[in-house]
Parts: sequence; structure tokens; C-alpha cells
Amino acid sequence: EVQLVQSGAEVKKPGESLKISCKGSGYSFTSYWIGWVRQMPGKGLEWMGIIYPGDSDTRYSPSFQGQVTISADKSISTAYLQWSSLQASDTAMYYCARHRGSSRAGYFDYWGQGTLLTVSS
Amino acid sequence: QSVLTQPPSASGTPGQRVPISCSGSSSNIGSNTVNWYQQVPGTAPKLLIYSNNQRPSGVPDRFSGSKSGTSASLAISGLQSEDEADYYCAAWDDSLNAWVFGGGTKLTVL
Repeated sequence: EVQLVQSGAEVKKPGESLKISCKGSGYSFTSYWIGWVRQMPGKGLEWMGIIYPGDSDTRYSPSFQGQVTISADKSISTAYLQWSSLQASDTAMYYCARHRGSSRAGYFDYWGQGTLLTVSS
Repeated sequence: QSVLTQPPSASGTPGQRVPISCSGSSSNIGSNTVNWYQQVPGTAPKLLIYSNNQRPSGVPDRFSGSKSGTSASLAISGLQSEDEADYYCAAWDDSLNAWVFGGGTKLTVL
């Protein structure tokens, strides 16, 4: 059974750093891209970026380029989303999702349960 | 403002057929396939339709998708109370080099 299990909820202060994780199991972790999606409170889904754990090839949405860092450790089947200096506007639910197919004809077929990030002074 | 445009809300009574539209442009829906995701409040999104009209295993055939030009549509027939959720369309955008989502449609079963 394919599963993506994300790290738990976080409460941080502005200016702090953070790395959240997404551990894949039940499939070949290095053979599928893993994407990250943000959902701000009461809002819709926004694609942030994607990584191929096999070779760590990473692509970012123009909206998130330079704001976050996506990485992966294939030895432990885990992808990461990282911030160096959090802002209150980073408060949101963050989902990881497995991508299947090509970029133009692909889709996100399995999703993690989400990691809720609250940034507040 | 989302790149793909969906109506913010839709509603129907049990047993009815409800359509949800998704409008885009030549750089996204017009060039690439469309996927639909269902998000029950408080839970993660779930893939509902991929490649315009394909259902993943386990998704009831009450759900169907279609695409024409720069627009797509999700139809839910035989509406059930458990279908009450938010529905999002998505496609790759060749100009933005990014996955883009619609703003979501909140479906209410009356």
C-alpha cells in the first residue's frame, strides 16, 4: 500500500527556521516525483515545487522560488520542505503528494495527511 | 486569483446530477490534460479524475470528467450526501512552468 506520512504540526515564531518531512512507503521512492502543495486557511491549493528523489532534480513554482527549499534523502525515502526564516504568512497546511506521469499529462495520485504550520509571535 | 476559474459553489439534492466547470487558457487546459481532486473538509485532497476523464481505482462511476478546448467539466450523478466536499481542477501550465489549480468549488448536498 502506497503511503506518504508527514511530520506533525508545528508552531513557530517569525524568523525561525523549519524543515518538515514526508516519508514514502509501499513503492519505489526513487522512481516518482514528490510535490509539495500549500493550502492557506480557508483557501485553495497552490503548487510549490517538486523533486525527483532518484537524482534530486528539483523544480519550483515561480511563486515559491527562493522562498523555500525542497530536498530529499533517498536512503530513508523522505522528502523535505524547508524555510530559513518563517513569516506569519507561511501559516498554512502543507501537503506532499506523489506525482505520476509526465509533467504535461501527469497527476498527483497519493497525498500525505498534511502538516499544519502556525507562525505567530 | 487562480489561473483556472471555477464557480465558488454548487449544490444539488440527493440523486441529482451536478456539473462543475473549470475554465483555463491555451497554455494550460488547452494544451494539457486536466485532473480533478476532491477534498472533504479536514482531510487531504484525493485524486478523483485524471487525464481528463479517467477514474482511479475505487472512484465510483458516478464521477465523470470531460474537456473541450480550454474548458473542462466534472459531473457528479446520483448525488449523495457523502459527495459534500471541495472540488479542485488542475493542469500543467506551459507558460508558467507550474501546476495550476482552480480556486475550488464547494459542493453542498441539500
